[in-house]
Amino acid sequence: QKEVEQDPGPLSVPEGAIVSLNCTYSNSAFQYFMWYRQYSRKGPELLMYTYSSGNKEDGRFTAQVDKSSKYISLFIRDSQPSDSATYLCAMKLLGNEKLTFGTGTRLTIIP
Amino acid sequence: GAVVSQHPSWVICKSGTSVKIECRSLDFQATTMFWYRQFPKQSLMLMATSNEGSKATYEQGVEKDKFLINHASLTLSTLTVTSAHPEDSSFYICSALKTSGGAVEQYFGPGTRLTVT
Repeated sequence: QKEVEQDPGPLSVPEGAIVSLNCTYSNSAFQYFMWYRQYSRKGPELLMYTYSSGNKEDGRFTAQVDKSSKYISLFIRDSQPSDSATYLCAMKLLGNEKLTFGTGTRLTIIP
Repeated sequence: GAVVSQHPSWVICKSGTSVKIECRSLDFQATTMFWYRQFPKQSLMLMATSNEGSKATYEQGVEKDKFLINHASLTLSTLTVTSAHPEDSSFYICSALKTSGGAVEQYFGPGTRLTVT
């Protein structure tokens, strides 16, 4: 079993729709949770960074963490074609900067 | 934000040769950098942690004699793939840690695509 599971997709939604992306994990010691966006043949770009359980909102993006269920989500509101990319979840332990990534979900927003 | 660059962005080499990839933090100093490998449609897998002025720490299963890492300055880490084989063809991505006001953030480079023929 992988430490972090993420549905690779692909996921296609029409422009303006709400997108929900999810990851589950097995290591309950993970404390920090991140979402990265990666365009084709580019490095990952940090979108959201959360600590422990709860919600965090930044513009059209909302990150949720449910540590009791070992489940994290990223919601994208009013999706745009420019949001088309691969979205990777990542997490790390307290005091350790090593990141463990999910497989990534390939998202396409259809105009 | 902060900028991390990689050079080259794309390299093709023949089997058996060595290739060096550079990772630079352009506007900050980084005592720690990471090297990842990403195969098509797969996630980033951490290969090693590069520490300025000391030996790199390799993840389990990564051959340290094949993937040589040198972190000679606070802004530069290099990864040399020695005696490259076609199975080493992959997307190599580095990241650098920036410490600011007690917070630590990790910034990624744009990646280097290696093709071994």
